[in-house]
Amino acid sequence: GENVEQHPSTLSVQEGDSAVIKCTYSDSASNYFPWYKQELGKGPQLIIDIRSNVGEKKDQRIAVTLNKTAKHFSLHITETQPEDSAVYFCAAKTSGNTPLVFGKGTRLSVIA
Amino acid sequence: DTGVSQDPRHKITKRGQNVTFRCDPISEHNRLYWYRQTLGQGPEFLTYFQNEAQLEKSRLLSDRFSAERPKGSFSTLEIQRTEQGDSAMYLCASSRFPGQGKSNQPQHFGDGTRLSIL
Repeated sequence: GENVEQHPSTLSVQEGDSAVIKCTYSDSASNYFPWYKQELGKGPQLIIDIRSNVGEKKDQRIAVTLNKTAKHFSLHITETQPEDSAVYFCAAKTSGNTPLVFGKGTRLSVIA
Repeated sequence: DTGVSQDPRHKITKRGQNVTFRCDPISEHNRLYWYRQTLGQGPEFLTYFQNEAQLEKSRLLSDRFSAERPKGSFSTLEIQRTEQGDSAMYLCASSRFPGQGKSNQPQHFGDGTRLSIL
């Protein structure tokens, strides 16, 4: 089955700097890659997703890139703010009845 | 969208007791998923429904776990004879049925039920 590795496990950045979180996946049939933000005591919140037919997607300060050949995808957050501090999860999924498989998460701390 | 709603938010029980959690999905979503999340880990898939049909179950879902979605709307997850290892956050998510040209639809999560076994 699918296996998703996520790095780093913790990341500290100064406010205003950029943050990059990287994930690799094992199943070449995976074609859907969402990113979630989870704040303390809350459920994961979808922040952006990308499908395998595109290489990059942007939404304001957030962007995701996908390299299908290397089987890795990355989350980029620019101009970080203290409210970006949370745990971020990447995930991967193939088509059909297969489950969404999550990475172990990255705890991002934005220092004011 | 009112969002995915889960009840209760917290449940503390003694080992050996039965517990039941409820999930109300986003109203127009016909797919509903259950996940389990332990400290420092990502959510792990347990099972999912399309309308009232349970289509997939993980090997994590032991015989003590049962999930239902009788009318294709809300769902319940029951754990019988709880064990220490069942302590976790139980998350519910919902999504639309994949439309033409899109094999996957975004899954939206509730805030979970945190289960603590004494």
